[in-house]
Amino acid sequence: TQLLEQSPQFLSIQEGENLTVYCNSSSVFSSLQWYRQEPGEGPVLLVTVVTGGEVKKLKRLTFQFGDARKDSSLHITAAQPGDTGLYLCAGPLLYNFNKFYFGSGTKLNVKP
Amino acid sequence: GAGVSQSPSNKVTEKGKDVELRCDPISGHTALYWYRQSLGQGLEFLIYFQGNSAPDKSGLPSDRFSAERTGGSVSTLTIQRTQQEDSAVYLCASSLGGLAEQFFGPGTRLTVL
Repeated sequence: TQLLEQSPQFLSIQEGENLTVYCNSSSVFSSLQWYRQEPGEGPVLLVTVVTGGEVKKLKRLTFQFGDARKDSSLHITAAQPGDTGLYLCAGPLLYNFNKFYFGSGTKLNVKP
Repeated sequence: GAGVSQSPSNKVTEKGKDVELRCDPISGHTALYWYRQSLGQGLEFLIYFQGNSAPDKSGLPSDRFSAERTGGSVSTLTIQRTQQEDSAVYLCASSLGGLAEQFFGPGTRLTVL
């Protein structure tokens, strides 16, 4: 069983549509990070959210950390084909930075 | 180099053979992580180094897996007596530690026939 559950697993949308990806857990995390990974490459960090209730914006991407620090969401406005990739949430549990847990990922395909 | 490098990029081996995977982290990064990723899936944490020591080895799937880091720099992940279920992409990442950003290498794709 994954400690971090992501949904949906797959998402195929048209350019210009909005979407939200969810990352949920029953455990409390010190922080949550969102990564994007393209085929044949390692993941690349998009953002880190640290404070419960925190909202961060990165151009068309909005990231939110739940008040209880057990969940996070990624919202993309007006998706573009360049947003295509595997989106992963990850983080260490509270008080233990030795181990990073990753979600199973959301595979996003944005069609032109 | 500027980023994390891993070698080899691809490794095909026969069941039962031993393999060694290498990771060169970014210079100055004290933390180093190994992960395993099956096709299109999320990452499975294997082991974390702070300097040369590994405070948490609980992610290693079995005693066939071992890792070491020398000089606070290069790390090797060794898989003994490989099995077909070991086939995956093995990713290495380094960081300044704690919650700092992890920078990933391109991975080693291991195929066990």
